[in-house]
Amino acid sequence: DAKTTQPTSMDCAEGRAANLPCNHSTISGNEYVYWYRQIHSQGPQYIIHGLKNNETNEMASLIITEDRKSSTLILPHATLRDTAVYYCIVRGTSGTYKYIFGTGTRLKVLA
Amino acid sequence: SQTIHQWPATLVQPVGSPLSLECTVEGTSNPNLYWYRQAAGRGLQLLFYSVGIGQISSEVPQNLSASRPQDRQFILSSKKLLLSDSGFYLCAWSTRGPYRTGELFFGEGSRLTVL
Repeated sequence: DAKTTQPTSMDCAEGRAANLPCNHSTISGNEYVYWYRQIHSQGPQYIIHGLKNNETNEMASLIITEDRKSSTLILPHATLRDTAVYYCIVRGTSGTYKYIFGTGTRLKVLA
Repeated sequence: SQTIHQWPATLVQPVGSPLSLECTVEGTSNPNLYWYRQAAGRGLQLLFYSVGIGQISSEVPQNLSASRPQDRQFILSSKKLLLSDSGFYLCAWSTRGPYRTGELFFGEGSRLTVL
């Protein structure tokens, strides 16, 4: 499974877009990029995933570079409730089914 | 709809005592099951995963063990707890077989304090 690297922490003003980067330079062709977030003392929550096309859902947008070596999760209008740790992970469609989480990015949304 | 139950939610155990955490999934069959641990202020560490009854893969050497006696039941155990076993334990499941979203669904977690 490919490893990911993310900044340790970020701040974002409430109402502004939060852009969370993730580097996955060793990603292979069949590996998807997933984003989860964890609010304090809760289990992680799925946000979005993608393979190579940009994706959007009601929570966020996922922008994947053309070479697939990095991606950005975008929260278009951050609220105080978006304060959480955001994890970027990659996982293939076959094989060991492992989801390896890194240390994530601690996003703090400021009022 | 699918649900995942994990218990107990909180427990305080003395060093050297045994441990049993249980997780069950409802509303699906043949899930992949996972145990993660999160030490205070740290990220999620994958401990065990299972792709079927009796099939357990261990990711990290430790004094913990896992068992899957039934398709939708996953148990985390220890014979003798260490102080370093303290943490937030999370059970999770995902679909197996034909690939769909591959989404990982987590339980509410069990917070273990070893004294």
